[in-house]
Amino acid sequence: QSVLTQPPSVSAAPGQRVTISCSGRSSNIGNNYVSWYQQLPGTAPRLLIYDNDRRPSGIPDRFSGSKSGASATLAITGLQTGDEAQYYCGTSDNSLGAWVFGGGTKVTVL
Amino acid sequence: QVQLVESGGGVVQPGRSMRLSCTTSRFVFSSYVMHWVRQAPGKGLEWVADISSDGGKTNYADSVRGRFIISRDNSKNTVYLQMNSLRAGDTAMYFCTREQGIALVGTAYFDYWGQGTQVTVSS
Repeated sequence: QSVLTQPPSVSAAPGQRVTISCSGRSSNIGNNYVSWYQQLPGTAPRLLIYDNDRRPSGIPDRFSGSKSGASATLAITGLQTGDEAQYYCGTSDNSLGAWVFGGGTKVTVL
Repeated sequence: QVQLVESGGGVVQPGRSMRLSCTTSRFVFSSYVMHWVRQAPGKGLEWVADISSDGGKTNYADSVRGRFIISRDNSKNTVYLQMNSLRAGDTAMYFCTREQGIALVGTAYFDYWGQGTQVTVSS
């Protein structure tokens, strides 16, 4: 059972928009910044979003992040077949003294 | 381009030990906190351990504390994970990752990851 809660899967047609939620508590998301990672099949995770809503260079603006209270959201617009992957949220937890991740969400392009 | 290359994985019997290495290049290794993150087959990411830039401070997940030791050699740009008393539940892909940002103010994140090294604990 992961400390951060994500839906196991989301799906949409090409060109559509999907959102992935990440729910935590005050000790983690509520008081720390959230990052998001994309993991394509058979590869290492890749940083997608950091500091809640910032994109590293090279990440298209189709990917966006937001945070409100103890929850965060990743949105993907203009969905493409290449976006099919697992997506993880992560942050630090002040009570646990540890890094925590969500359980991951599989994005499927219909 | 920043590089992190893990090595040392393989098949090991329960109760035995194994040491993983992560050799890095193209950044000032001694300035960064480094982490190990693992992923069991078909499962999500699990943080394992981290080590401060000078090696003086370490943190561990409850699942490995007392069995695993993270260390680093800044002269070799390498971080290690010594894994003792291995269990079947430790079977996973182990990733080395670099921390960016400032953890003390809650802005840290993992900006570069290695390709991973597979550890299988089986008799």
